[in-house]
Amino acid sequence: QVQLVESGGGVVQPGRSLRLSCAASRFTFSSSDMHWVRQAPGKGLEWVAVISYDGSKKYYADSVKGRFTISRDNSKNTLYLQMNSLRPEDTSVYYCAKEGGLGIWLGPDYWGQGTLVSVSS
Amino acid sequence: QSALTQPPSVSGSPGQSVTISCTGTSSDVGRYNRVSWYQQAPGTAPKLIISEVSNRPSGVPDRFSASKSGNTASLTISGLQAEDEADYYCSSYTSTSTWVFGGGTKLTVL
Repeated sequence: QVQLVESGGGVVQPGRSLRLSCAASRFTFSSSDMHWVRQAPGKGLEWVAVISYDGSKKYYADSVKGRFTISRDNSKNTLYLQMNSLRPEDTSVYYCAKEGGLGIWLGPDYWGQGTLVSVSS
Repeated sequence: QSALTQPPSVSGSPGQSVTISCTGTSSDVGRYNRVSWYQQAPGTAPKLIISEVSNRPSGVPDRFSASKSGNTASLTISGLQAEDEADYYCSSYTSTSTWVFGGGTKLTVL
């Protein structure tokens, strides 16, 4: 069964940076496109970013464009989300998720358990 | 990237059927057959229950069905069970190569 384990969350002051990691196992990570999705406390899901299997394609939600960077290291089976210039409204549980399609993007299928990021002074 | 529109809540008694709508635009739901539905129980990660408008992944009961007409997708849960009580989210691929989620619908089994 696909396993995705996020880490790197915590409390950070506004304007600071944080990097999230997602360790992937039990599937061929290097062949899979990957997503980050977030969920503010008590709120709905918000898609954040997607990266292609080889890192050549990256797309972002308008709310994070220019501040967040998605990347991956296929040699380590790890997905990253570098978050800069953090704002209080970025406070959320951040999920990494595997893309369900092969050659065509269908949306996330398997999700990790999430890591909480709290932006507060 | 406006969120898809879902009703905030729906309810039904055990054994009944409920339908949750998900309305987008001609740039997302109406344009692509890449609509997914997710079930999220309290304190847990979302679980995929429908992909590509109407496909159920292995292990998802056939009580869950879905369809799309124009800019609106729908999820129907028949034979409601207590364990179906959860939040449900739709999502769609968009014309800008991004994804958009619905605001979520809380299902209460009475």
